[in-house]
Amino acid sequence: KNEVEQSPQNLTAQEGEFITINCSYSVGISALHWLQQHPGGGIVSLFMLSSGKKKHGRLIATINIQEKHSSLHITASHPRDSAVYICAVWGSNNDMRFGAGTRLTVKP
Amino acid sequence: EAQVTQNPRYLITVTGKKLTVTCSQNMNHEYMSWYRQDPGLGLRQIYYSMNVEVTDKGDVPEGYKVSRKEKRNFPLILESPSPNQTSLYFCASSLWEGMTEAFFGQGTRLTVV
Repeated sequence: KNEVEQSPQNLTAQEGEFITINCSYSVGISALHWLQQHPGGGIVSLFMLSSGKKKHGRLIATINIQEKHSSLHITASHPRDSAVYICAVWGSNNDMRFGAGTRLTVKP
Repeated sequence: EAQVTQNPRYLITVTGKKLTVTCSQNMNHEYMSWYRQDPGLGLRQIYYSMNVEVTDKGDVPEGYKVSRKEKRNFPLILESPSPNQTSLYFCASSLWEGMTEAFFGQGTRLTVV
């Protein structure tokens, strides 16, 4: 079993829909990151969380440390949100471990 | 502009021919790391460095070397590349480990034939 599990693996939505991507982890962490990878490969950090909730534009990220779970929400989704979203955790050994990613396609 | 710069972006090489992928950051970050990304396996950490002259192995260090002689540079060295090292490689940096934003390079697509 992977230490970082994401769901769903693939997600197709219509423009305007509310989207949720989930991440569960089984190790102790100091922080959790949500990353975005567009076709063409570049990776951008969206959020870094250690507790609670963060919001940036239409994106919201939450984390529940006790339940070892985080969610990434996209409100009013748009085709330009189409990308792979990756959950990553900083472990106690100063290393970073990654989920397999969620491929999101938003159709106009 | 704050950035992590990797070079080259694309590289095709032959088995056994030593190569170096460079990584440089201009943000005075303490922490730097290398990852490889493979279909079905996702991103995996190769090596990381918490400061100058301090490096440590990640999940998949076999066949790779790194050095951290200056804070800004963290090259990845493949002494004798093999076809199973064909992959997409990313360098990343952050102010320090864990609790700070990570910045990624553009990626290096390496093919070993």
